[in-house]
Amino acid sequence: DGGITQSPKYLFRKEGQNVTLSCEQNLNHDAMYWYRQDPGQGLRLIYYSQIVNDFQKGDIAEGYSVSREKKESFPLTVTSAQKNPTAFYLCATRRPNTGELFFGEGSRLTVL
Amino acid sequence: GEDVEQSLFLSVREGDSSVINCTYTDSSSTYLYWYKQEPGAGLQLLTYIFSNMDMKQDQRLTVLLNKKDKHLSLRIADTQTGDSAIYFCAEQSDYKLSFGAGTTVTVRA
Repeated sequence: DGGITQSPKYLFRKEGQNVTLSCEQNLNHDAMYWYRQDPGQGLRLIYYSQIVNDFQKGDIAEGYSVSREKKESFPLTVTSAQKNPTAFYLCATRRPNTGELFFGEGSRLTVL
Repeated sequence: GEDVEQSLFLSVREGDSSVINCTYTDSSSTYLYWYKQEPGAGLQLLTYIFSNMDMKQDQRLTVLLNKKDKHLSLRIADTQTGDSAIYFCAEQSDYKLSFGAGTTVTVRA
């Protein structure tokens, strides 16, 4: 089945640790996105990539890093510099013609 | 910059119609979208409307677009308990989507 796979679904980390969230897609879409979701605030864009080996900062990129070495993969690293990392993280790809986003099931990160 | 606004909560009786409203700011948006999110899950596209349309109907869903007022609405006919979820409107701008904060719809018996 075509889709987007995010892992892990739940992740706990101690303060000061970096963690990497995985996002894999088999939809053959060029563009991929990472959003952060907090209660009552909707989705905020962290990073996006329109093509392999290229990515751009979104509205809240500080404390995060990404890579796009393969079309299928767009991992997000939450670094220790991110002051409030506890959140629900959503990865998405974009259909070229209509611009709609397809979302993974999300990863919930909790910092202890 | 983009700023999409929607009311945060809506309570509706089962069988009634739900109407969720949204305002957006980018008049150059080509498409506008409605997404649904169930607890602990990702967002699922419900429908979208092209900016040169006023209305789009898809089974129980009706989308109305007023470009002059930058107002978008989603009507769900015959609301069911399975429609309880958070609904997001989104506008497209420069290959990115900007989302509202989401409207939590609660369906009561």
